[in-house]
Amino acid sequence: EVQMVESGGGLIQPGGSLRLSCAVSGFTVSSNAMSWVRQAPGKGLEYVSLMYFGEHTNYADSVKGRFTISIDSSKNTLYLQMNSLRAEDTAVYYCARESVVGISGMDYWGQGTLVTVSA
Amino acid sequence: QAGLTQPPSVSKGVGQTATLTCTGNSNNVGYQGAAWLQQHQGLPPKLLSYRNNNRPSGISERVSASRSGNIASLTIAGLQPEDEADYYCSAWDSSLSIWVFGGGTKLTVL
Repeated sequence: EVQMVESGGGLIQPGGSLRLSCAVSGFTVSSNAMSWVRQAPGKGLEYVSLMYFGEHTNYADSVKGRFTISIDSSKNTLYLQMNSLRAEDTAVYYCARESVVGISGMDYWGQGTLVTVSA
Repeated sequence: QAGLTQPPSVSKGVGQTATLTCTGNSNNVGYQGAAWLQQHQGLPPKLLSYRNNNRPSGISERVSASRSGNIASLTIAGLQPEDEADYYCSAWDSSLSIWVFGGGTKLTVL
């Protein structure tokens, strides 16, 4: 059975940092394309970042230079390091899996973790 | 990074058929089609179809998807109350190498 459990969200002041985690069981993180997708309160889905083949990464323009996606294969866990946080980063952050990047769709999602950036 | 365009809302009656649209460009929807996600309030998204009309296991045959040029469509036949949800299209953008999303359509089943 596939499980994806996010953690690390919370209330943080503008300019602060947080690290989100997505602990996975049921498949190997480094063998799949792993994304972070966020959803601001009452808003739609927004792509944040992607890692595939365990090393290739890309980012939405809105987070480029501030966020870093990574994987710990020994823990089968996906991370999102978020620095220089802004109010507009407030959202539920989901991790999602795609077995073939750009083709097979995001078929497994975590339950999400809420990040609130506020003074 | 520009997203895909979806109508904000669609309303249909129980038993009717709803068709939701998603407009992109030749780099995303027109490149290799769209994926569709369903999201009920307070829950994570659920994949309904990918690359136009491939359904993951467990997805109802009442759901079908298609594409014509840069416009993708999701059709849900025989609407049930549980189909009331937000629906998002997404597509891989070949020029940006990222996923782009539509703004979502709220489907109301009357």
